[in-house]
Amino acid sequence: QVQLLESGPGLVKPSETLSLTCTVSGGSISSYYWSWVRQPPGKGLEWIGYIYYSGTTDYNPSLKSRVTISVDTSKNQFSLKLSSLTAADTAVYFCARHAGDSASYYAFDIWGQGTMVSVSS
Amino acid sequence: QSVLTQPPSASGTPGQRVTISCSGSSSNIGSNYGYWYQQLPGTAPKLLIYTNNQRPSGVPDRFSGSKSGTSASLAISGLRSEDEADYYCATWDDSLGGWVFGGGTKVTVL
Repeated sequence: QVQLLESGPGLVKPSETLSLTCTVSGGSISSYYWSWVRQPPGKGLEWIGYIYYSGTTDYNPSLKSRVTISVDTSKNQFSLKLSSLTAADTAVYFCARHAGDSASYYAFDIWGQGTMVSVSS
Repeated sequence: QSVLTQPPSASGTPGQRVTISCSGSSSNIGSNYGYWYQQLPGTAPKLLIYTNNQRPSGVPDRFSGSKSGTSASLAISGLRSEDEADYYCATWDDSLGGWVFGGGTKVTVL
């Protein structure tokens, strides 16, 4: 079965750029849409953006100026970069797969376990 | 402030039926599929209901979803202790151009 695993630093300094990678195992990254979702401690879920295996992306308008999502099909991975970090970006970051062939119709059916990222000096 | 409005909490005794509402607008729930997720403490969200009322394989039929107009609902019948969790609704918002979630509902089994 398909599994997702996030990796990256647990602590990042304010104003720096966060880089996270999601590795897809048990299946191909091709023919699916993939998203990043985050959850601040004790709060709700926030969609960050998605990427298609071909490289097409779309981002949350509230984060668009700071977000870049990329894909490496040869490694079966996709990645998140979030710049100009502040304490408000402290959250658990999840990667997830969209359930169908449209990223706006089909939500997330498979999720990674999540990785906690703290923004602090 | 979430785009989709859920009650912050709901509760019931074992065996009871609990319903959680998710109120949106014509640009989100009113024109797109509704989804529901269950999140146990310290874990990733788990897909519970997709495309308004479908259950993924392995999800008990005690969980059911529905949609009417600009609102969606999740019902849990025959409430069990293991159903204690946070529940989130989600949908695409055409105006915002992205996925939006409800603020979450904490279900407590008394």
